[in-house]
Amino acid sequence: GAVVSQHPSWVICKSGTSVKIECRSLDFQATTMFWYRQFPKQSLMLMATSNEGSKATYEQGVEKDKFLINHASLTLSTLTVTSAHPEDSSFYICSAAGGRSSTDTQYFGPGTRLTVL
Amino acid sequence: QKEVEQDPGPLSVPEGAIVSLNCTYSNSAFQYFMWYRQYSRKGPELLMYTYSSGNKEDGRFTAQVDKSSKYISLFIRDSQPSDSATYLCAMSRTGFQKLVFGTGTRLLVSP
Repeated sequence: GAVVSQHPSWVICKSGTSVKIECRSLDFQATTMFWYRQFPKQSLMLMATSNEGSKATYEQGVEKDKFLINHASLTLSTLTVTSAHPEDSSFYICSAAGGRSSTDTQYFGPGTRLTVL
Repeated sequence: QKEVEQDPGPLSVPEGAIVSLNCTYSNSAFQYFMWYRQYSRKGPELLMYTYSSGNKEDGRFTAQVDKSSKYISLFIRDSQPSDSATYLCAMSRTGFQKLVFGTGTRLLVSP
């Protein structure tokens, strides 16, 4: 089956630093990747959608200058949290789809837990 | 009010029981309804999806959608300890993009 990995699985950083999270599709080409955020006891919230080779589309309320998304290849997307603050501490999870159609299934990565001190 | 409401549980049942998991929603434009299973430290895995109203069965799992009541259900028959996980409902207007998730219900099936 389709496998999506994330690295790192958890990260602790100091306030003000930047953190990069990688999302890889291991056995298929991911034309579209999605980034979600989940706070404790809350639901997964879509942050942005990225298509390979294009700029990401951000959901309302998500700062594109703070959460930089790069989808430069068909197997790799990165999310960089710039100048991280404690309120950015959350569980970040990516998913990948093999096409751009709305009927293409998303396959999820295992998530990255970010803690900002 | 959240767009999708789901009881976080935990829901504890004995092995072999029939499990009923539910979500309610407020946006009548939702047309696609999904159920995901998430084991600890793993990403969500798609179990089933349904378009519009009706029932869908896959092995021990049955998904039901009642759009008139804005209520969806997932039934698990003959539950097993390996079914212990968090079950997330998700829905959208346009397929698998722009998914709106519930908070997930934690299910514990005891031997």
